[in-house]
Amino acid sequence: EAGVTQFPSHSVIEKGQTVTLRCDPISGHDNLYWYRRVMGKEIKFLLHFVKESKQDESGMPNNRFLAERTGGTYSTLKVQPAELEDSGVYFCASSQTTSHEQFFGPGTRLTVL
Amino acid sequence: AQSVSQHNHHVILSEAASLELGCNYSYGGTVNLFWYVQYPGQHLQLLLKYFSGDPLVKGIKGFEAEFIKSKFSFNLRKPSVQWSDTAEYFCAVGSNFNKFYFGSGTKLNVKP
Repeated sequence: EAGVTQFPSHSVIEKGQTVTLRCDPISGHDNLYWYRRVMGKEIKFLLHFVKESKQDESGMPNNRFLAERTGGTYSTLKVQPAELEDSGVYFCASSQTTSHEQFFGPGTRLTVL
Repeated sequence: AQSVSQHNHHVILSEAASLELGCNYSYGGTVNLFWYVQYPGQHLQLLLKYFSGDPLVKGIKGFEAEFIKSKFSFNLRKPSVQWSDTAEYFCAVGSNFNKFYFGSGTKLNVKP
């Protein structure tokens, strides 16, 4: 069974540009989470989907971040326009409705210059 | 506010030494506790988890952790580390299928 996948693995953009990150959860996992780790700090929660609905978006830093999960399968996280402080590793995780365990993807390393 | 503290940011050990990584949390309500590991260049992987029952939980690769409710702690232990245990270790706390709170991570470097 395939795990959680994320694309791209790395992205380097300039300040002011737009970047879209993609996450494909494990098939059948209704819960999808986005997290971010800024260098050297803790992994912080951004957003939680249950199927296509946003269950909790309390961690989204500001309105430059937009997450979608159309059809309840894969999810995208768009940053527009990107700022220097958005640099970090963005992790996606998924879980089944009946399990507390979250399975993590490899992360996307975003560098904003 | 909910938080997770990992006291050791960087630990260096020789092979065969014993390991204990501290994790304390501040969380109101029922908690689920996790240790994840990230080996160089790899995904975050689950080492072990505690939901309820026996507070001493055993995970993969010889790791174990003990939940001490009175101390709000969930320390990770391994009696004898190997060079292959070199990785970053994360303690996480969650509740009821909601978001996780993570500690800042502990980098373990095991010298052969």
